[in-house]
Amino acid sequence: AQKITQTQPGMFVQEKEAVTLDCTYDTSDQSYGLFWYKQPSSGEMIFLIYQGSYDEQNATEGRYSLNFQKARKSANLVISASQLGDSAMYFCAMREARQFYSGGGADGLTFGKGTHLIIQP
Amino acid sequence: DARVTQTPRHKVTEMGQEVTMRCQPILGHNTVFWYRQTMMQGLELLAYFRNRAPLDDSGMPKDRFSAEMPDATLATLKIQPSEPRDSAVYFCASAPINQGEKLFFGSGTQLSVL
Repeated sequence: AQKITQTQPGMFVQEKEAVTLDCTYDTSDQSYGLFWYKQPSSGEMIFLIYQGSYDEQNATEGRYSLNFQKARKSANLVISASQLGDSAMYFCAMREARQFYSGGGADGLTFGKGTHLIIQP
Repeated sequence: DARVTQTPRHKVTEMGQEVTMRCQPILGHNTVFWYRQTMMQGLELLAYFRNRAPLDDSGMPKDRFSAEMPDATLATLKIQPSEPRDSAVYFCASAPINQGEKLFFGSGTQLSVL
């Protein structure tokens, strides 16, 4: 079974409209983290927002917010007032709790297949 | 601005040749990741290192791929021999010890094996 599911392969949205990109996840861990990354046509991966499984408030970063519904295992990204520069691939990702080795630090992320967002003028 | 540096940006090679991709993580980051991105499979975690020690390389084909971290400023991913199915974008990412959330990605190496 896929750990991260993004059901919208592509989306067209009018400039200045709000956008919701869907993401559902599958884990049996109690502690996990959810991420969104943006990949413009230039190819780099840009971190947008993070939500921890124990965070009670939805994460927000400027025009980005994460609509976290734990019981539904969904972590949708909301972009308010979309701009032409928002056109890109968007990836949802998850880090599950794992056995930590000495030294501490991050473990790898599992990514969804992505949503190609196109903002139209 | 501190960033992860990957070289080369683009590599075209013939089947059977050895390919080496290099990554300089952000100074002070203790965890380094290698990802591969293809249209069909998306982003796959190949391997990662913490404090230069390999932690997980279960995503990597062992017969032809190898990943090393000879020092804290250099990670390498080697394919020998390369095959056309290895054509992909290979990303290196690093993360600091005290900020376990996000990964900082390099610009990637676009590999084409003919």
